[in-house]
Amino acid sequence: DAMVIQNPRYQVTQFGKPVTLSCSQTLNHNVMYWYQQKSSQAPKLLFHYYDKDFNNEADTPDNFQSRRPNTSFCFLDIRSPGLGDAAMYLCATSRDIGTLFYEQYFGPGTRLTVT
Amino acid sequence: AQSVTQLDSQVPVFEEAPVELRCNYSSSVSVYLFWYVQYPNQGLQLLLKYLSGSTLVKGINGFEAEFNKSQTSFHLRKPSVHISDTAEYFCAVSEDNQGGKLIFGQGTELSVKP
Repeated sequence: DAMVIQNPRYQVTQFGKPVTLSCSQTLNHNVMYWYQQKSSQAPKLLFHYYDKDFNNEADTPDNFQSRRPNTSFCFLDIRSPGLGDAAMYLCATSRDIGTLFYEQYFGPGTRLTVT
Repeated sequence: AQSVTQLDSQVPVFEEAPVELRCNYSSSVSVYLFWYVQYPNQGLQLLLKYLSGSTLVKGINGFEAEFNKSQTSFHLRKPSVHISDTAEYFCAVSEDNQGGKLIFGQGTELSVKP
């Protein structure tokens, strides 16, 4: 089945130690999104890639970076994780983007713990 | 700027009872509206969406929602809930000039008790 896969599902990192979260998709979608969802809060969009074009949300901290080496994969890099970065990180994809609506398909998420 | 308000953070209900989860939005332009469900430690699953046309939208798992433009609401309903409906429910909005960007409400935790 076509899907959005996130690895690992659970990640523990130390304060200040760089960490990378992975997302892959078999849907061949043009757009990939990264959301941060803190406990009992709504998902918040960090950034998205439209093909190779990177689009950062205005309030996303510089500590968060992303890479998309090809259509299928997208990575979230946290350069120096703080305790406040502990959250569920959700990856999503959509076929396209624009004035028409294109449904977003979500992966199962990676729960990040910072010790 | 668009925003989404889910009026109830928690809704406890007994099995087989009806339920309504409330959602209001603010926007100055046309919007698309969605309800997502999130089970513990899972991603988001689309329950239903309103893009245009009929204001009553039917989704998966027996849920439906009604778009009310004058009241800027998009409440989610189910006539008879099951234990398996216990989850977090998120209302979301996307403006038609925002390229698919979703703005989520804070979520409503639905707890179905036997």
